[in-house]
Amino acid sequence: AQTVTQSQPEMSVQEAETVTLSCTYDTSENNYYLFWYKQPPSRQMILVIRQEAYKQQNATENRFSVNFQKAAKSFSLKISDSQLGDTAMYFCAFMNTGNQFYFGTGTSLTVIP
Amino acid sequence: DAGITQSPRHKVTETGTPVTLRCHQTENHRYMYWYRQDPGHGLRLIHYSYGVKDTDKGEVSDGYSVSRSKTEDFLLTLESATSSQTSVYFCAISEEGATQYFGPGTRLLVL
Repeated sequence: AQTVTQSQPEMSVQEAETVTLSCTYDTSENNYYLFWYKQPPSRQMILVIRQEAYKQQNATENRFSVNFQKAAKSFSLKISDSQLGDTAMYFCAFMNTGNQFYFGTGTSLTVIP
Repeated sequence: DAGITQSPRHKVTETGTPVTLRCHQTENHRYMYWYRQDPGHGLRLIHYSYGVKDTDKGEVSDGYSVSRSKTEDFLLTLESATSSQTSVYFCAISEEGATQYFGPGTRLLVL
């Protein structure tokens, strides 16, 4: 079974600074997908970024980028130039080849003005 | 935004009563999922469907059943609600090997 671990329950960052959220996972599969989702106070789950395991290049989406270390089974999210609207719960997720998703327990990020 | 709706959005019920939550999609995606979200647990999979009338259990399926008679609808039923089933329920959809998109959630309170 796959497991996803987010070891930082809460984090804070000053506005305009950079923050990195950690995620590790455990799997015996070679082909899979990794995601970061954001959940603001509205509770809507919003996709932040996606990474295919077969791609060596780290995914980027504007201010969001990942550091994907396949051998270490690590998938961290870096948020640059943090904005107040980035305040949310962030979930790391793993998808296997059977389209089953596994989520971490989340990291609550607060951006401080 | 993906076309996913959930109904009802909020529900209060009493212990022992049956409850059905509905997820409706307009995207014609093959896969549909039901999760529950509780503090400290993230999202946990209850059941999922990989096609019409094709469903399978997830991590926390006890006390829940599902049905999918049409591509667009995925129903979650609590046969006899218990207080431990008080939670926020999310429906999600995806295609093969693709990103999962979520509905707005249903807040269920079992008294």
